[in-house]
Amino acid sequence: NAGVTQTPKFQVLKTGQSMTLQCAQDMNHEYMSWYRQDPGMGLRLIHYSVGAGITDQGEVPNGYNVSRSTTEDFPLRLLSAAPSQTSVYFCASSHPGGISGYTFGSGTRLTVV
Amino acid sequence: AQSVTQLGSHVSVSEGALVLLRCNYSSSVPPYLFWYVQYPNQGLQLLLKYTTGATLVKGINGFEAEFKKSETSFHLTKPSAHMSDAAEYFCAVSDGRDTGNQFYFGTGTSLTVIP
Repeated sequence: NAGVTQTPKFQVLKTGQSMTLQCAQDMNHEYMSWYRQDPGMGLRLIHYSVGAGITDQGEVPNGYNVSRSTTEDFPLRLLSAAPSQTSVYFCASSHPGGISGYTFGSGTRLTVV
Repeated sequence: AQSVTQLGSHVSVSEGALVLLRCNYSSSVPPYLFWYVQYPNQGLQLLLKYTTGATLVKGINGFEAEFKKSETSFHLTKPSAHMSDAAEYFCAVSDGRDTGNQFYFGTGTSLTVIP
């Protein structure tokens, strides 16, 4: 089925560990983004990409890195996990202009202890 | 930058009653407007959208929303609530740029349906 695939679905990290959250889409969407969702704060944009080789920071980029080597993949890297990064992470993609809306992945629930 | 305001972080309605979830936005250009629904432990699913044309748009599961430019609003309604409507609802706006289009989300409204 076409869509956005996120892995893993659940992850527990120790403070200071690093990891990569994977995101892949098969809809040939140029625009991809990462959000974190925290209670009472809605969705906050971490990083986004308007196409392969182009990335930019969103509202809360600190502690996260991204790269976009292909149209399909947009991994999110946590360099040194902190308890403040405990959250649910969503990857989303769309065509340029946003007229079709976002397609979201099912999320990664990350706990940092 | 644009902003989206959802009035009421929690809304409770009785089964069969009208559902009204409020959304106001700020935009200097005609935006694209969206409502998303999130069921527990799931991702966000597009409920409906307004891009151009008719200002009353219909979505899935009997929901509809009306774009009112003069009020900068895009409220979500459903005539008769069902238990299965209990979920988190997010209003979003896109500035529609061809490059770097940004989506701005409200903080969400949690809908509880009382039997």
